[in-house]
Order: sequence, then C-alpha cells, then structure tokens
Amino acid sequence: DIQMTQSPSTLSASVGDRVTITCRASQSISSWLAWYQQKAGKAPKVLIYKASNLESGVPSRFSGSGSGTEFTLTISSLQPDDFATYYCQQYSTYPPLTFGGGTKVEIK
Amino acid sequence: QVQLVQSGAEVRKPGSSVKVSCKASGGSFSSFAISWVRQAPGQGLEWMGGVIPIFGTANYAQKFQGRVTITTDESTSTAYMELRSLTSDDTAVYYCARDGGYERSGYYGWFDPWGPGTLVTVSS
Repeated sequence: DIQMTQSPSTLSASVGDRVTITCRASQSISSWLAWYQQKAGKAPKVLIYKASNLESGVPSRFSGSGSGTEFTLTISSLQPDDFATYYCQQYSTYPPLTFGGGTKVEIK
Repeated sequence: QVQLVQSGAEVRKPGSSVKVSCKASGGSFSSFAISWVRQAPGQGLEWMGGVIPIFGTANYAQKFQGRVTITTDESTSTAYMELRSLTSDDTAVYYCARDGGYERSGYYGWFDPWGPGTLVTVSS
C-alpha cells in the first residue's frame, strides 16, 4: 500500500496568512494526487486534482504543486472560511486508494 | 450535476451486519466508479472499496476483504455497501463518493461529489 504522510497535523494561523501543507507519498505517484477540505460534520470537498488542477468553483487562493513523492497545498491568504481539516489522497495505485492523516488549520 | 443521497443513521449490535445505500440523481451513474469511504469519530478518511457499475466489478481494501460487499442496482442508480461482523471499531460515518470522471490513470481517481454520510453506531 502507498502511505501518505501529511505535515503538520495541526497548524495555527491568522486571517491573511500564507499557509502551506505538505503531503509525502511512500513511493512515486506521479501527479495522481487530490486535496480535500472538510469542515466539521460535513463531507469532504475536492479542491485540487492531479496535483495542481483547481476544481471549478474553488477560490484561486488555493493552489497545489509537486510530483513524484512530495506535494504541497498552499492557501495564499487565509480567509475565515478556510479554517477546516485538509486531506491529500493518492490515486496512482489501488487497491487501496489512500489518504493522508489530515491537517487541521486552526485560528491563531 | 450528480447528487448522492444516502440512507439514514443506523444502530447495530456487535456481530450483526449493516447495509447502507447511496442513490445518484441528476447525472451519469453507470460509467463512473462509486467508492465507500469511512471516518471514525475524530479520525481520518479510510477507503473501503469501490465498484464500477457498468462492469459490476468491485475492488476492496484488503483490511475489509471478506467482510464488506459493494453492489449496485443500475435500474435505480443506487449503490450499496454491506458490512458484516460489526464491532465497536466500525462505529463511523460512512460516505459514498463518485469518481471525479477525468484526469486519472485508471478506473478510480479523485472523488466528486460525495454523499452526506451515514452514521453507523455499533453498540451492545
């Protein structure tokens, strides 16, 4: 199985901050990576697919980069609506599809 | 725009089974994989398995192999996930999610949309 490791697990930041979350794969997954945002009590929502493609309707302050084993999700200017938990997911090799452990973005 | 509607919350006793449904409306059902992802309280996301309705074939995570069955009914655009031999560790919210439909290397890729989730509580 491909292991996905996210860091940090928790991040404290202020509105307007630039935020970066890292996701590392245990082996190369090319660019087959998605990022999701999940708010409490809600289903996850896709932000980025194929490492750097912004899903329709997602604000442009979100961006993704990377390939191979190292990936980043960046929020260029954190907004109040962005406080949530973020997950990466690989879809290079399955079964199983695998997720990172999540990064909770909290208000500083 | 496809929407996924799931069945309601369930309470089961240890050792029993549960079957959760996921009905798609407003778009294509048969051509895209449907996966089931669970989330235990306060924990992360875990893929259990998926099915490609047009083929009728399912793939499962090894952790759940032999204990889970994922099926579809194309006539009603509904997918089902049955989990057997329940323990308290199976208490979780169970989500169905459709494949995003493009920019993937195989039949399973990223997930969009997701259903709202079904809480399954296993307690004696």
